[in-house]
Amino acid sequence: ETGVTQSPTHLIKTRGQQVTLRCSSQSGHNTVSWYQQALGQGPQFIFQYYREEENGRGNFPPRFSGLQFPNYSSELNVNALELDDSALYLCASSSTGTSGTYEQYFGPGTRLTVT
Amino acid sequence: AQSVSQHNHHVILSEAASLELGCNYSYGGTVNLFWYVQYPGQHLQLLLKYFSGDPLVKGIKGFEAEFIKSKFSFNLRKPSVQWSDTAEYFCAVILPVGGKFQFGAGTQVVVTP
Repeated sequence: ETGVTQSPTHLIKTRGQQVTLRCSSQSGHNTVSWYQQALGQGPQFIFQYYREEENGRGNFPPRFSGLQFPNYSSELNVNALELDDSALYLCASSSTGTSGTYEQYFGPGTRLTVT
Repeated sequence: AQSVSQHNHHVILSEAASLELGCNYSYGGTVNLFWYVQYPGQHLQLLLKYFSGDPLVKGIKGFEAEFIKSKFSFNLRKPSVQWSDTAEYFCAVILPVGGKFQFGAGTQVVVTP
């Protein structure tokens, strides 16, 4: 049991729409990272949030944005959805200290289908 | 480009056979290394990790991995697999600065009874 929860479990949206995915981090963790996992591929890093600020970003366009709240939970927002955005979106929580960021614990993911 | 490479996409083997999955990374400097496993229908779980010290690390369920700095490798091994080891295995690297976490493409392992 990792303690990381995500909602919703599944979501179907239409191209051009906007979507918000949510994540609650594991107790004691201050960092949240988001990943996109397309079918048959490894998770691709979208971005990471630490102390409510973006702390690293992968190769994703600005229509992918996020928030981290004071309780360390997080949201991933995707605007102007495209068909290629269909994927499993994973949230991972971790602790960041003076030595860097430690291992990440993953939630079950949100399966997004864009039609 | 900086990357994490897993050598095999699919591996099929019989129970009791030995397993070795290759992982190479192209980052210079200090990195932290991980192997994650994703069992069918379950979320990603940490198998083992290497931060520093003994380059041979032991993880859960009898898995181990060896960090060879000169080869930029972090190969996963298990001497004798079980049917329950059927899963997808991901190698990952985290850069201490910036916290970027890079995954390999994964290796699907199928263990036949």
